[in-house]
Amino acid sequence: DADVTQTPRNRITKTGKRIMLECSQTKGHDRMYWYRQDPGLGLRLIYYSFDVKDINKGEISDGYSVSRQAQAKFSLSLESAIPNQTALYFCATSDLKFGGTDTQYFGPGTRLTVL
Amino acid sequence: DAKTTQPTSMDCAEGRAANLPCNHSTISGNEYVYWYRQIHSQGPQYIIHGLKNNETNEMASLIITEDRKSSTLILPHATLRDTAVYYCIVRGYNYGQNFVFGPGTRLSVLP
Repeated sequence: DADVTQTPRNRITKTGKRIMLECSQTKGHDRMYWYRQDPGLGLRLIYYSFDVKDINKGEISDGYSVSRQAQAKFSLSLESAIPNQTALYFCATSDLKFGGTDTQYFGPGTRLTVL
Repeated sequence: DAKTTQPTSMDCAEGRAANLPCNHSTISGNEYVYWYRQIHSQGPQYIIHGLKNNETNEMASLIITEDRKSSTLILPHATLRDTAVYYCIVRGYNYGQNFVFGPGTRLSVLP
């Protein structure tokens, strides 16, 4: 979805380096998410944020941190990258609607390789 | 979130309807059924969702059984571009409940 952008789209780095992945959205949504996907597997939730002052750990938060700089921006950091963090990373946004539906819209993904 | 079960893979002839099943026998009353798809390594794309009534949009139809324990996503006239992994997800709207993506069904549309 063009309304959700991720930078960089591809990144190769070395073990021990600090990496930041950035996500921006123009959908005006309050909720933002970071997922990772390993080959042949489904997506797993890393962190999520329901508004600028809200940060929550997901299923696999160890080794990651996030920053919600503004409603439209949500960054994911790997403080000291390790090879098993090699994966596809997706950002998503959503906006809770009246009645409870909360459809998520995904960015194009960042392919991260840690050597 | 309720667990879902989907076939690992399915084939469909181009131009025919693709019917993708999903079992969610432990679904609770406030949980919606969502369908997404992922083409190659692109970001997952939202298709449709529903609570208990059948739903239709420009992409697909969603049929939910009366007991809500299973559902079927129907792509009425599958094209080669519909080849993708399809994810069935059940999710409530309570604060803190998030999407859980399983392995999904790999649909191959054949010429």
